[in-house]
Amino acid sequence: DAGVIQSPRHEVTEMGQEVTLRCKPISGHDYLFWYRQTMMRGLELLIYFNNNVPIDDSGMPEDRFSAKMPNASFSTLKIQPSEPRDSAVYFCASSPGDFSYEQYFGPGTRLTVT
Amino acid sequence: GENVEQHPSTLSVQEGDSAVIKCTYSDSASNYFPWYKQELGKRPQLIIDIRSNVGEKKDQRIAVTLNKTAKHFSLHITETQPEDSAVYFCAAGSNYQLIWGAGTKLIIKP
Repeated sequence: DAGVIQSPRHEVTEMGQEVTLRCKPISGHDYLFWYRQTMMRGLELLIYFNNNVPIDDSGMPEDRFSAKMPNASFSTLKIQPSEPRDSAVYFCASSPGDFSYEQYFGPGTRLTVT
Repeated sequence: GENVEQHPSTLSVQEGDSAVIKCTYSDSASNYFPWYKQELGKRPQLIIDIRSNVGEKKDQRIAVTLNKTAKHFSLHITETQPEDSAVYFCAAGSNYQLIWGAGTKLIIKP
């Protein structure tokens, strides 16, 4: 298995632009997580899905952020409009379920908003 | 809200010595306690985990201990090596949702 795949790996955009981050979880995994990592705030859980259904989005910073999982092999995290304070590394992770709690992280997307 | 406190934020040890990182958690319902290692520029990766029905777990040079009464757990690395240099994160949770510590930067001095 190729592991969790994220794209793009790097994204530089101007304030006000829409940003879409993409994730393909490991095949067969029932859980998908979106995290944001910054030096100031550490690793923050934004939202997670179980069988494509959002379970907890309380970590989503504000209405500018939205996440979808249209099927078991694809998820997106969208920021519209983007702001400089959104600059961070965004990780997607997946977990098998069946009481195996290990989370497998993707390589991350480094987002810079100027 | 629920939180996990991790100490120290930075730990510098001589190569070959032991390193200990400690975490405390607030949610008494937590039953899963993993430790992740993140090398510079890389993704976090699980190195060891423990569940609430176990007090200690070892895997070669790495061990984790859990005290549910006191709500704290620790990571122990013995005979540290240069490749142990990284940021280590603890987490606590249940039902697949984890609360993460702030991380400990471990520096191994030659």
